[in-house]
Amino acid sequence: DSGVTQTPKHLITATGQRVTLRCSPRSGDLSVYWYQQSLDQGLQFLIQYYNGEERAKGNILERFSAQQFPDLHSELNLSPLELGDSALYFCASSVGSGGPQETQYFGPGTRLLVL
Amino acid sequence: AQSVTQPDIHITVSEGASLELRCNYSYGATPYLFWYVQSPGQGLQLLLKYFSGDTLVQGIKGFEAEFKRSQSSFNLRKPSVHWSDAAEYFCAVGADSNYQLIWGAGTKLIIKP
Repeated sequence: DSGVTQTPKHLITATGQRVTLRCSPRSGDLSVYWYQQSLDQGLQFLIQYYNGEERAKGNILERFSAQQFPDLHSELNLSPLELGDSALYFCASSVGSGGPQETQYFGPGTRLLVL
Repeated sequence: AQSVTQPDIHITVSEGASLELRCNYSYGATPYLFWYVQSPGQGLQLLLKYFSGDTLVQGIKGFEAEFKRSQSSFNLRKPSVHWSDAAEYFCAVGADSNYQLIWGAGTKLIIKP
């Protein structure tokens, strides 16, 4: 158990809908990262937040948005959903502001299925 | 641009046999190197990492990896695999010039009884 929690574990929804994925980092960690893992794209970095502020942006689509709240939990919003958004979404956390030397600790993921 | 290549999509190994998973990277300077494991239905767990110093790195679960600068490789090894090692293994590279990790496509390890 990494100490990173994600809810829900599974989500089945329809195209055009909106979903919110939630992540709580390890106690004391200030950075949260979001990743998307799909069969065709592999593991893709979406976005990182550090202490409430956006720190780095990856391959995040315009339809997706995220934020980190004062209690350091983070939410990833996806809307409007498309079939291709079906994937496993991981959250990870790290102790500092990020960077190539920081170890990232991953949550168990949220599996999203868009029908 | 930096890149990470894991040339083997799948590897099948008999239980008790040795294992080597390959990882090659493209980067001009010494990178920061990581191996993560993803068990079925689980998140990614850090196995080991290399930043500097001794090029042979020991990790958890009996894994080790060797950094070879001349070959731009960071291969993961285990002398004797167990059925519980069946999982997907990811190599990742970090660099000072690139804030985020670059991830390989993963290698799925299948254990034959």
